Amino acid sequence: ETGVTQTPRHLVMGMTNKKSLKCEQHLGHNAMYWYKQSAKKPLELMFVYNFKEQTENNSVPSRFSPECPNSSHLFLHLHTLQPEDSALYLCASSQDVPELFFGSGTQLSVL
Amino acid sequence: AQRVTQPEKLLSVFKGAPVELKCNYSYSGSPELFWYVQYSRQRLQLLLRHISRESIKGFTADLNKGETSFHLKKPFAQEEDSAMYYCALSGLLVQGAQKLVFGQGTRLTINP
Repeated sequence: ETGVTQTPRHLVMGMTNKKSLKCEQHLGHNAMYWYKQSAKKPLELMFVYNFKEQTENNSVPSRFSPECPNSSHLFLHLHTLQPEDSALYLCASSQDVPELFFGSGTQLSVL
Repeated sequence: AQRVTQPEKLLSVFKGAPVELKCNYSYSGSPELFWYVQYSRQRLQLLLRHISRESIKGFTADLNKGETSFHLKKPFAQEEDSAMYYCALSGLLVQGAQKLVFGQGTRLTINP
């Protein structure tokens, strides 16, 4: 498979659950990103990883924990989320040039 | 601080009419501006960037530093242009990674 792949496509979880979102890119890019897309807000940058190193944490609550084991994989671990965390979570990647390649996203619902 | 404002959440025009999607930005340095588009059931993807000065699918956008604007224009709208459009600003290159800030988006609907 090519491009940026996110799994699962949909996720429903309770506030006490622990779950993880997965992103994989097959483009050979060095940078990966997590964005949050809510209904009433612009796309919000959450985390940036470059060559597996986290270079940006945009004041994200600690209940979101990213992990980047290598340049091709990015995870977002979720723990004790709140209903307001329900949103579309988008992963993206890039390679030096200013063009981001996005995945299809994970639609998260927190009950 | 970097900020992008798209004043119109919704824009509806008739096929063949001109289209202009507004974008204003706030940034103290030298910005790079982009337009991203999301068609129905497709991924968010880059439409055009100001430094390339190219026309993509008939769309153009000119960076106006005096007015801090980067409006997207097309002289004759087509039905397939219906989509969600996001203006984005990149003012900081962090070790090869881009810190892109997006506007809230404008949903463009082209009526037949």
